[in-house]
Amino acid sequence: QAQLVESGGGVVQPGTSLRLSCAASGFSFRTYAMHWVRQPPGKGLEWVGFMWSDGRTVYYADSVKGRFTISRDNSKSTFYLQMNSLRAEDTAVYYCGGDPPSSGYALDIWGQGTTVTVPS
Amino acid sequence: QSVLTQPPSASGTPGQRVTISCSGSSSNIGSETVNWYHQLPGTAPKILVYGNNQRPSGVPDRFSGSKSATSASLAISGLQSEDEGNYYCSTWDGSLNAVVFGGGTKLTVL
Repeated sequence: QAQLVESGGGVVQPGTSLRLSCAASGFSFRTYAMHWVRQPPGKGLEWVGFMWSDGRTVYYADSVKGRFTISRDNSKSTFYLQMNSLRAEDTAVYYCGGDPPSSGYALDIWGQGTTVTVPS
Repeated sequence: QSVLTQPPSASGTPGQRVTISCSGSSSNIGSETVNWYHQLPGTAPKILVYGNNQRPSGVPDRFSGSKSATSASLAISGLQSEDEGNYYCSTWDGSLNAVVFGGGTKLTVL
């Protein structure tokens, strides 16, 4: 069945970097747009950014623009989030989500999440 | 402050019908389709409704979505204890060039 598995989370100091990975299986990854969504402790969902299926177009939330970079490798069915200059406010569970063609940005597949902690 | 506005909480008794609202603007709900998600504590969100009113396979027909102008609603009929959790609306905002989420509504089944 369709599955997304995130990895790479951890505890990192402010100003440092971290790269998250999202491994896809069981569906046609190369046809899906892919998103990163995060959830700070005790708070709601916050969209981080997404990349089209062909990797040519990417959009970011203003809160991470210039610090985070999204990429994908369709040959490996893997999606990435490179996070630089991390801040305490980036502390959250990070989810990757799959957005099938013509779904209107509906994420119908979600990973289990990976936790990123940046102490203040 | 979320771009989409949802009530922070809702409640109902088993078997009752409840509605959760989601208010936006012309740059998001007014011009795009709305999706709804359900999230239980400690777990990933799960899609409930996409394209305003379409249910993915496996989602009971007790859940229904609607949209009018710059607002959307999720209705849950025949409320069950397993429906507890947090509900989020979401759509694309053409002015922000971003996916936006509502702040979430915590549903309690009394």
